[in-house]
Amino acid sequence: AQRVTQPEKLLSVFKGAPVELKCNYSYSGSPELFWYVQYSRQRLQLLLRHISRESIKGFTADLNKGETSFHLKKPFAQEEDSAMYYCALNNAGNMLTFGGGTRLMVKP
Amino acid sequence: GAGVSQSPSNKVTEKGKDVELRCDPISGHTALYWYRQSLGQGLEFLIYFQGNSAPDKSGLPSDRFSAERTGGSVSTLTIQRTQQEDSAVYLCASSRGGGRPGNTIYFGEGSWLTVV
Repeated sequence: AQRVTQPEKLLSVFKGAPVELKCNYSYSGSPELFWYVQYSRQRLQLLLRHISRESIKGFTADLNKGETSFHLKKPFAQEEDSAMYYCALNNAGNMLTFGGGTRLMVKP
Repeated sequence: GAGVSQSPSNKVTEKGKDVELRCDPISGHTALYWYRQSLGQGLEFLIYFQGNSAPDKSGLPSDRFSAERTGGSVSTLTIQRTQQEDSAVYLCASSRGGGRPGNTIYFGEGSWLTVV
């Protein structure tokens, strides 16, 4: 069975500090990992996916198959980054399994 | 349409009543999903439709929950005899489907259900 774990429910950092949101997964196949973000009063939206190897809004995430992790990182957090972040795994049937989410609060 | 559309956006119902939540996916998307987001909880998968295949109902929490997708487009999630623990945001999402890597899944704004 596939599972996505986000160990931190809440992460609070000061503006300009580095941030890392942790995500670990278990899946027997070749995983496709995503990070979704939900800003206050907005719909859930895709932030980035591992196959694109892109940086979105300064965020990056590297798939580490050895550690079965897909941590989300940003070197300098901004107040507008405050949101709910969900890590998700896509199985071969195109169904997303989500982690429990981490609320990021960036303090001024 | 421009995005996934859900209605109603908010619904307050009395315990024991039935409710229907509607989802209109992005035009051309063959895959449609329902998720539930409860306060303090993560996103819980409910049901998944892919084209004309039998839906994956493995996430439905009880037989009070059912969903249909008519004509491969609009979907309705029905909750019978609602209970207070059904209170949550019900999210619909759609994608091009097909299980191909890189398919982006787009979410609606959700239907906030409150059972009193």
